[in-house]
Amino acid sequence: GQNIDQPTEMTATEGAIVQINCTYQTSGFNGLFWYQQHAGEAPTFLSYNVLDGLEEKGRFSSFLSRSKGYSYLLLKELQMKDSASYLCAVMDSNYQLIWGAGTKLIIKP
Amino acid sequence: IAGITQAPTSQILAAGRRMTLRCTQDMRHNAMYWYRQDLGLGLRLIHYSNTAGTTGKGEVPDGYSVSRANTDDFPLTLASAVPSQTSVYFCATGGGEHNEQFFGPGTRLTVL
Repeated sequence: GQNIDQPTEMTATEGAIVQINCTYQTSGFNGLFWYQQHAGEAPTFLSYNVLDGLEEKGRFSSFLSRSKGYSYLLLKELQMKDSASYLCAVMDSNYQLIWGAGTKLIIKP
Repeated sequence: IAGITQAPTSQILAAGRRMTLRCTQDMRHNAMYWYRQDLGLGLRLIHYSNTAGTTGKGEVPDGYSVSRANTDDFPLTLASAVPSQTSVYFCATGGGEHNEQFFGPGTRLTVL
């Protein structure tokens, strides 16, 4: 079956760095996506990886290792507004997105 | 219209009633999707449409139907609602630079 695993909840301090991991097992691979979802709102697209390595976008970076079925989202200089759920999703061989349950990130002052 | 709109924002529905959730986009994306999101579970695909005139079943299609008469509209119908259909429903389009999906604001549905 297809499976995406990520931690349920993480806590970090304002100004610090946090890494949210995602492991996946899917039928085919056509890219990995990270989305941010604030409570009561819709998910919004953060990043995309299809090749191994690190993609940096401001305070956010995303890493992919296809051989290990592993990705992480790195958030630097955490701000209170980064408190949200972070969703990992993999596009499978049918170009459908398979979603993880999300990681709720709590930022403490 | 800016992006994707969904209606209603929220609804309380008696079990057994028929309900249509509306989704309209102005992004001219060919692909559209309906997901449900439940606490502790990932987004689950209900139905999708790769282009106007075609639809397909996702992971959890039972009890739901869709139609895609044109590019902009993708309504989701619950023929006879049941309490297990209580959820937050998101409509999305696909067609960004990386085929990323864009989401509407969601409909919070409660079936009693």
